[in-house]
Amino acid sequence: DSGVTQTPKHLITATGQRVTLRCSPRSGDLSVYWYQQSLDQGLQFLIQYYNGEERAKGNILERFSAQQFPDLHSELNLSSLELGDSALYFCASSVGFSLGTEAFFGQGTRLTVV
Amino acid sequence: KNEVEQSPQNLTAQEGEFITINCSYSVGISALHWLQQHPGGGIVSLFMLSSGKKKHGRLIATINIQEKHSSLHITASHPRDSAVYICAVRGSNFGNEKLTFGTGTRLTIIP
Repeated sequence: DSGVTQTPKHLITATGQRVTLRCSPRSGDLSVYWYQQSLDQGLQFLIQYYNGEERAKGNILERFSAQQFPDLHSELNLSSLELGDSALYFCASSVGFSLGTEAFFGQGTRLTVV
Repeated sequence: KNEVEQSPQNLTAQEGEFITINCSYSVGISALHWLQQHPGGGIVSLFMLSSGKKKHGRLIATINIQEKHSSLHITASHPRDSAVYICAVRGSNFGNEKLTFGTGTRLTIIP
């Protein structure tokens, strides 16, 4: 158990809908990272938050947004969903700015858009 | 051309064999990660390297910064090592925490 909790584990929704994925980092970790893993693109970095502030941005679509709350949990909001958004979404957490030697990943949320 | 290339894409070996997975990258980096992803999907971080060599149990990771190349070795491979192994690099600019991932190597160890 990495200590990073993601909910839900599985999500099936229709095109055009909006979903929210949740990540609770390990106790004490201030950074949360979101990644998308699709069959055709592999793993891609989406966005990082550190202590409530956005710190780094990757290939995140405008239809997607994220935030980190005062209790440090994070949510990834995906809207106007398309079939191509079907993927595994992972979050990871770390104490500092960087995903260091001890990088802890959640088990992922498998999103299926139908 | 991808910034991070892994080889081979797929590898099948007999239990006990010595395994090598390679990762080449084309950008300046501050660190390189090796990750393991099991069939259930969960990701485990194996190593983070910025130079030299690290060992953990039967796993050894090396990196050659000049050649922009890293290898992951598994000694005395076991069926439980069957997984996808992913190499990821972190940019060399401070604050660039974006990881760029290779496409992974699917390893299957046959008993």
